[in-house]
Amino acid sequence: GESVGLHLPTLSVQEGDNSIINCAYSNSASDYFIWYKQESGKGPQFIIDIRSNMDKRQGQRVTVLLNKTVKHLSLQIAATQPGDSAVYFCAENRRGSTLGRLYFGRGTQLTVWP
Amino acid sequence: DVKVTQSSRYLVKRTGEKVFLECVQDMDHENMFWYRQDPGLGLRLIYFSYDVKMKEKGDIPEGYSVSREKKERFSLILESASTNQTSMYLCASSFRQGIETGELFFGEGSRLTVL
Repeated sequence: GESVGLHLPTLSVQEGDNSIINCAYSNSASDYFIWYKQESGKGPQFIIDIRSNMDKRQGQRVTVLLNKTVKHLSLQIAATQPGDSAVYFCAENRRGSTLGRLYFGRGTQLTVWP
Repeated sequence: DVKVTQSSRYLVKRTGEKVFLECVQDMDHENMFWYRQDPGLGLRLIYFSYDVKMKEKGDIPEGYSVSREKKERFSLILESASTNQTSMYLCASSFRQGIETGELFFGEGSRLTVL
């Protein structure tokens, strides 16, 4: 069935390196995508979003890239810090779905080593 | 500061017990959601509500019910808890237009163990 999924369940990086977390989606009706960060023992927190009419969006140390041709979404974190260690989820809103309905991927565990 | 509060962080219940998970938000949000989080499966939507006394089934509503008698409060009910309902439960809320910005605000979660 259609789903939001992740290529890698875990990612380990050295402090100061850049991190890239990937997400594949299969629903061509998805028109809005969001990345969430979940630290241990906490609920997910919104990081950044992107609409389907955009290819790239930048925030503070984070960049989201959207490739609609191959239905791929990525989150880039610059100069990764120990505080970035968390589980990262991509989520999508599918055009025509009930208002407020988000579909989440399975998550990627990012571990940052000093 | 926005706040979604879940009444219990940790619960241990026995099979067959009735379980109530409470969620309160102080942001005057119209939408409220209950998700279940299991390792490797991400967040799966159980139920959501877009207004008082309104509810919609999510992807995995079986074995659960919900109640929204007041705008700020959304309760998840397990009528007869089973061991396969052992999980982390996350409540979230958003403005009706919140999906335009993706701003789902989550609580800290309630970890339920059913023995």
